[in-house]
Amino acid sequence: AQTVTQSQPEMSVQEAETVTLSCTYDTSENNYYLFWYKQPPSRQMILVIRQEAYKQQNATENRFSVNFQKAAKSFSLKISDSQLGDTAMYFCAFRLTNAGKSTFGDGTTLTVKP
Amino acid sequence: DTGVSQDPRHKITKRGQNVTFRCDPISEHNRLYWYRQTLGQGPEFLTYFQNEAQLEKSRLLSDRFSAERPKGSFSTLEIQRTEQGDSAMYLCASTPGGGYEQYFGPGTRLTVT
Repeated sequence: AQTVTQSQPEMSVQEAETVTLSCTYDTSENNYYLFWYKQPPSRQMILVIRQEAYKQQNATENRFSVNFQKAAKSFSLKISDSQLGDTAMYFCAFRLTNAGKSTFGDGTTLTVKP
Repeated sequence: DTGVSQDPRHKITKRGQNVTFRCDPISEHNRLYWYRQTLGQGPEFLTYFQNEAQLEKSRLLSDRFSAERPKGSFSTLEIQRTEQGDSAMYLCASTPGGGYEQYFGPGTRLTVT
């Protein structure tokens, strides 16, 4: 069974600064996807960024980028130029390429301070 | 594209009652997922459908839980003889065939008193 661990229950960052959220996972499989989802307060979850395990290049989406270390089974999210709207709970998730379900971590609550 | 919708958004019920939730996925999304999320935790997988076929069920889905997707469009999740431990947010998500991303609905918050 796959597991996903987010070791930082809460984090805060000043507006315009950079913050990194950590995620580690455990699997014996080789083909999978990793995701970061954002869940703003009282709003629905949306995808922030995804990474295919076969790709060595780290994914980037505007201010969001990941540091994917496959051997270490680590998948951190970096948010640059943090904005107030980035305040949310962030979930790391794992999915095998041939499976339907995703396995989620317990989340990191990020607060961006003005 | 109106997104994934769920109904009701909130449900309060007494222990022992049955409840049913509905999820309408994004049209033409053939995969539909149900997750349960309790406070301070990430979503836990319950079950998923490809079209009308239920392909996987979690061990979390006890015999009091049943899900259907009769015509491969909307889905219902029923909980029979509710218990206080069933109190949670029930999330629905959908994916187009071959898609990576899961599109989530707003959830149904269940409170069992």
